[in-house]
Amino acid sequence: SAVISQKPSRDICQRGTSLTIQCQVDSQVTMMFWYRQQPGQSLTLIATANQGSEATYESGFVIDKFPISRPNLTFSTLTVSNMSPEDSSIYLCSVGQRTGELFFGEGSRLTVL
Amino acid sequence: QKEVEQNSGPLSVPEGAIASLNCTYSDRGSQSFFWYRQYSGKSPELIMSIYSNGDKEDGRFTAQLNKASQYVSLLIRDSQPSDSATYLCAPRLYSGGGADGLTFGKGTHLIIQP
Repeated sequence: SAVISQKPSRDICQRGTSLTIQCQVDSQVTMMFWYRQQPGQSLTLIATANQGSEATYESGFVIDKFPISRPNLTFSTLTVSNMSPEDSSIYLCSVGQRTGELFFGEGSRLTVL
Repeated sequence: QKEVEQNSGPLSVPEGAIASLNCTYSDRGSQSFFWYRQYSGKSPELIMSIYSNGDKEDGRFTAQLNKASQYVSLLIRDSQPSDSATYLCAPRLYSGGGADGLTFGKGTHLIIQP
């Protein structure tokens, strides 16, 4: 499976600021996804990062709050905008296989004060 | 609305015994099913995939699928303390054509007691 690197691995941010998380894959992949895992909870899909076009967001997530870029087949970014303490979560980048399996990066642990 | 139900646990199993983890799903169109293991503070890792009814074995792990009952399970034989983790079930609607974002269950927290 592909090697998926995320940066930063963790960060502490102030309320009202924005943070951009980067996801780098060591091979070209068609499907990339961003997930959120709130403390003690399971994974929730935020959006599908589409190469060369706007991301496809799941219900409850909007582009203004979570803008996503996907400039090529190996890289994507997720920005968490105008953060509040409720945004404190682990954000996970994942890539998909044609058979449906997803593989995850190590995650970015965000704490908003 | 896709729903995936798992008993959150904790499920406590003695070392060496069989751990049985269960998952039900609401979407009858689900074709593929995945089990992930997540250690505390780590990201999920794929441990089993199953695509057709019946059993699929891989080492100490056996996945069982019953599409008619909308039920999938994971059995861990000869449980080891290193199996202590949260196990996430994730059905997928489509059987081909590329990956889709998966919907995950809340996970079952498994504790293997030495």
